[in-house]
Amino acid sequence: ILNVEQSPQSLHVQEGDSTNFTCSFPSSNFYALHWYRWETAKSPKALFVMTLNGDEKKKGRISATLNTKEGYSYLYIKGSQPEDSATYLCAFYRQGNSGYSTLTFGKGTMLLVSP
Amino acid sequence: NAGVTQTPKFQVLKTGQSMTLQCAQDMNHEYMSWYRQDPGMGLRLIHYSVGAGITDQGEVPNGYNVSRSTTEDFPLRLLSAAPSQTSVYFCASSRGTGAFEQYFGPGTRLTVT
Repeated sequence: ILNVEQSPQSLHVQEGDSTNFTCSFPSSNFYALHWYRWETAKSPKALFVMTLNGDEKKKGRISATLNTKEGYSYLYIKGSQPEDSATYLCAFYRQGNSGYSTLTFGKGTMLLVSP
Repeated sequence: NAGVTQTPKFQVLKTGQSMTLQCAQDMNHEYMSWYRQDPGMGLRLIHYSVGAGITDQGEVPNGYNVSRSTTEDFPLRLLSAAPSQTSVYFCASSRGTGAFEQYFGPGTRLTVT
């Protein structure tokens, strides 16, 4: 079974704090790495899709980096706001038994930002 | 664009009953998947399809059946519901695998008593 590990499990920060999360994945047969944001009572929405070693993506105050050789990705949030409160999911594409690739999700990092 | 739609939103079943969770997308996506979300477990893949007529099993397929007769629809059938199938079910679609993000439906909360 392929493992995608995310840390920390949860995080509570104050408004204005910057924070970062880690996603670890097996470095062999890398295909793609996804980050999703999941707000309570809603469905997950894609933040970033990364495919190349050294990729850096940015969307507003949120950015992500990718190291496929060592098998990790970081998600950074600069100046956290209460509306950033959500669970952040990392997912790794792996080759399935039938030859098709499938997305395996980590358990997520739950972020709570207090005003 | 409605995106990915799922029905019903909520359902309560008795053990042994069968039902079908509906999923439809209007984005002409080839790739569709079903996941279940359980506390502390993350999203786990049940079944997926890479196009009409082609389906395959994911990580937790037992007790579920799928078919894909059209590009738009990907129903999930529970053959004989068990309490272990109490979960929140999400359908997702994407243009393909790898570099294509997945679009998720709103979810179906299923309780089996």
